[in-house]
Amino acid sequence: QQQVKQSPQSLIVQKGGISIINCAYENTAFDYFPWYQQFPGKGPALLIAIRPDVSEKKEGRFTISFNKSAKQFSLHIMDSQPGDSATYFCAASSPGGYQKVTFGTGTKLQVIP
Amino acid sequence: DVKVTQSSRYLVKRTGEKVFLECVQDMDHENMFWYRQDPGLGLRLIYFSYDVKMKEKGDIPEGYSVSREKKERFSLILESASTNQTSMYLCASSLRGAGDTEAFFGQGTRLTVV
Repeated sequence: QQQVKQSPQSLIVQKGGISIINCAYENTAFDYFPWYQQFPGKGPALLIAIRPDVSEKKEGRFTISFNKSAKQFSLHIMDSQPGDSATYFCAASSPGGYQKVTFGTGTKLQVIP
Repeated sequence: DVKVTQSSRYLVKRTGEKVFLECVQDMDHENMFWYRQDPGLGLRLIYFSYDVKMKEKGDIPEGYSVSREKKERFSLILESASTNQTSMYLCASSLRGAGDTEAFFGQGTRLTVV
C-alpha cells in the first residue's frame, strides 16, 4: 500500500529551468511533509519541510507548495543547476514520538548544461 | 557534526547465510530505523526502535529481525539471506519529539546475495 505517491520517476531539466516534483498522500493524519535529497553514494538528507498549516515554504531556490484539500504537495526547484542532480524523495509523518516517516518512490533529477 | 555510521558500504553474502548489518549513531537519538531502498520503490521501512530493547515492525519486516542493546547501536539481521534481499540498506536516527524532527541517514550498505 503506497501511502505517498510521487511523480515523475525521472526528470531531465535544462540548466536554469524549473524542476517540479509532485506528491500525493492518503492518510489525513500526516502533519509533517519533508523532502529529502540523495546524491549518488550518499544517504538521503533533509532538504526542506512543511507543515499543513501553510500553503508554501521557500528556502533559496527550493519551494514546497502544499494543497491540503487535494492532499497534494510539490517541490519546485527554480533556476535548476547541474549540482541539483540527485534523487528527491517526498515524505510524510504523523504526530507522535516515533517519527515514523513514509517515503515516496523517489524522482531522479538530471539537470543538463 | 552529526553522524550515522553503517559498518559496511558493500557486502556480498551467500544464500542461506546469516547476515548482520550494524549501525551506530553519535547524536544520542532515541529513534532508529532500518530502510531498504530499491529502484522504483523508494525507501521502505523494515523495522524501527524508539528505545533500547524496543522494536516495532515497519512495512516489510518479513525475513528480518533487529537488535538494540545500546542506545547508539541498531543492528539489522537477515536470518537466512535470500537473493530477493539484495538491496541498498539505509539506517537512520532521529530525536523523539512532536513528529517534525529530521531523520539523519547513514551512507548505506549495498548488500548482494548470491
